[in-house]
Amino acid sequence: DAKTTQPPSMDCAEGRAANLPCNHSTISGNEYVYWYRQIHSQGPQYIIHGLKNNETNEMASLIITEDRKSSTLILPHATLRDTAVYYCIRGGTSYGKLTFGQGTILTVHP
Amino acid sequence: NAGVTQTPKFQVLKTGQSMTLQCAQDMNHEYMSWYRQDPGMGLRLIHYSVGAGITDQGEVPNGYNVSRSTTEDFPLRLLSAAPSQTSVYFCASTSGVGASGNTIYFGEGSWLTVV
Repeated sequence: DAKTTQPPSMDCAEGRAANLPCNHSTISGNEYVYWYRQIHSQGPQYIIHGLKNNETNEMASLIITEDRKSSTLILPHATLRDTAVYYCIRGGTSYGKLTFGQGTILTVHP
Repeated sequence: NAGVTQTPKFQVLKTGQSMTLQCAQDMNHEYMSWYRQDPGMGLRLIHYSVGAGITDQGEVPNGYNVSRSTTEDFPLRLLSAAPSQTSVYFCASTSGVGASGNTIYFGEGSWLTVV
């Protein structure tokens, strides 16, 4: 099964860090972990991806466990505009083939 | 979602009608793909292409045809629309090269209703 497991929903207070977990216990050695988000049924927006090491960019941080069976996306200072569905996806490096699960609905409240 | 353009944005079809969803990208990406998204669900891969003249099936290909005559364009054709094809359709592209993982860019979506 190429899908991942995420909680269906999470809440976060504005200004606080949002930590979104993802389980991918059957991930293979050459599969990356990608995070995308989708706001109001717009096209999915790329956030971050990683293979083994923790990654950080201007949007978020990605923490991958040493055994690569799970990861956590961290939005360091969540804003109301971060309310969206967040997808954790595992995929190879070619063909643009991603397998989406149902994602986590993150609601950021004032 | 710079660079991936989908048309039309909204379309209503009658059962049995045919139509083509257009997708174009200006990033010179080799890899393009089509996804559909049903209410409350994640995206599912319909067809994908690894370059001009090369296409392959994804998870849910039945009822859809694709072709890739140029690098820029990847149209999705519904030959005989069915109500089960009512969905939001997303086109995506990626450079698909390199060992660092590839960002995939998505279009804004095409809302299709089949009545």
